[in-house]
Amino acid sequence: KQEVTQIPAALSVPEGENLVLNCSFTDSAIYNLQWFRQDPGKGLTSLLLIQSSQREQTSGRLNASLDKSSGRSTLYIAASQPGDSATYLCAVEYGNKLVFGAGTILRVKS
Amino acid sequence: NAGVTQTPKFRVLKTGQSMTLLCAQDMNHEYMYWYRQDPGMGLRLIHYSVGEGTTAKGEVPDGYNVSRLKKQNFLLGLESAAPSQTSVYFCASSYSNFGTSGQFFGPGTRLTVL
Repeated sequence: KQEVTQIPAALSVPEGENLVLNCSFTDSAIYNLQWFRQDPGKGLTSLLLIQSSQREQTSGRLNASLDKSSGRSTLYIAASQPGDSATYLCAVEYGNKLVFGAGTILRVKS
Repeated sequence: NAGVTQTPKFRVLKTGQSMTLLCAQDMNHEYMYWYRQDPGMGLRLIHYSVGEGTTAKGEVPDGYNVSRLKKQNFLLGLESAAPSQTSVYFCASSYSNFGTSGQFFGPGTRLTVL
C-alpha cells in the first residue's frame, strides 16, 4: 500500500530558528512530490513541487529536497517567523492519485 | 480570477438528508478532484474527473456521487448522509495529470452530520 508519513506530528520552535520537516513514502515509483501549507480553517496552498527527476526546489526561505531511493523528502525552513505557523502537508503523486501525509503542525513562538 | 471556489462553506445535516456541494474553477483546468480531510488522516481522494463529462472513483468513494456536466464545475452529492461523513471537504483542480502541474485547492466545506 502506498503510504506517506510525516514526522514530527507537531513542532514548536522559537522565532528565528531553522527547522526541518520530514516526509517519507513507501513506494518510490513517484511522479512528483508536493509540499502544501494549510492555515486553520483554510484550504491548501502549494509551496513547492519537486518532479521525480529533481533533487530539490527552493522558494525564498523554503527548500525542499527529494531522495527517491530512500523514499524521503525534507522541507527546510530558514529563519522561521510566527507567520510560518501552520500545518504543512506532504503529498506524493503516483500516476493517477495524490497520496497525502497527515501533516506536521508547526508553531513558531515570538 | 477567483481560482477554486466552494459552496457552501458550512452545513449541518441530519442523518438521511441529502445535499450537493458545488466546486467551481475559472482556470480552465481539465482535472478536478474531491477530497475529505479527517483529523490525523490527511486528505483522502473521494472522486475525480479528467475532463468534462467524465468521473472516476478515488480512495473512499462509497456514499458519494459526482457529476461534471460543465468543465468549470464539479459537484459532489451525498444521497443519504451518515455521521461518518462528518468531515471537511476540499475541491481541487489541475491543468494536467494529478500534481504534474500542481493542484489548486478551494477553501473547503465543513460538513457536520448529526
